[in-house]
Amino acid sequence: GESVGLHLPTLSVQEGDNSIINCAYSNSASDYFIWYKQESGKGPQFIIDIRSNMDKRQGQRVTVLLNKTVKHLSLQIAATQPGDSAVYFCAESHQAGTALIFGKGTTLSVSS
Amino acid sequence: GAGVSQSPSNKVTEKGKDVELRCDPISGHTALYWYRQSLGQGLEFLIYFQGNSAPDKSGLPSDRFSAERTGGSVSTLTIQRTQQEDSAVYLCASSWGRNQPQHFGDGTRLSIL
Repeated sequence: GESVGLHLPTLSVQEGDNSIINCAYSNSASDYFIWYKQESGKGPQFIIDIRSNMDKRQGQRVTVLLNKTVKHLSLQIAATQPGDSAVYFCAESHQAGTALIFGKGTTLSVSS
Repeated sequence: GAGVSQSPSNKVTEKGKDVELRCDPISGHTALYWYRQSLGQGLEFLIYFQGNSAPDKSGLPSDRFSAERTGGSVSTLTIQRTQQEDSAVYLCASSWGRNQPQHFGDGTRLSIL
């Protein structure tokens, strides 16, 4: 099944389901957004990014949606697999800044 | 390897000691970042280097923290007179430039006794 709505610290899905992880950002000047996957004991791994002149971008099994009106970002993972289990972080940066500002992570658990 | 390399992977030291953490970025990346991640938390920006420009130190939590980047490549983060609240994972990332994907190393897990 899917889960939409406000940021959830944890998300549990069955193998093969689609997953949706949500993120709200605070700065309307942010122009670059990025999703990372972090497994235990590892550094964040780049998944997909999107710039503010786009509202959708697709990768392999992943889609990022950007809604600038409500300052909302989501990551959709199709046909979720046990190997997708990890903590997912969204991050933003804006014209005046140089660093990524990370959101609170969502722990995705996939059961087979 | 082709990724960002950090050393040591783990560091345990006594309160009050100085520590140095090392980062080898991806070859050719002009931008280098340091972040800190406390247990179960998101990443907190510390410092950013871009080419030969003056670094952005706005995230450093105190004057006990400093970093340098030699020859536009390797960077070291130094924490002087360590405190227990410095315990965290220190992550380094590099990228081709601002608003380009940052690629992270696996971090140094620092424990202050």
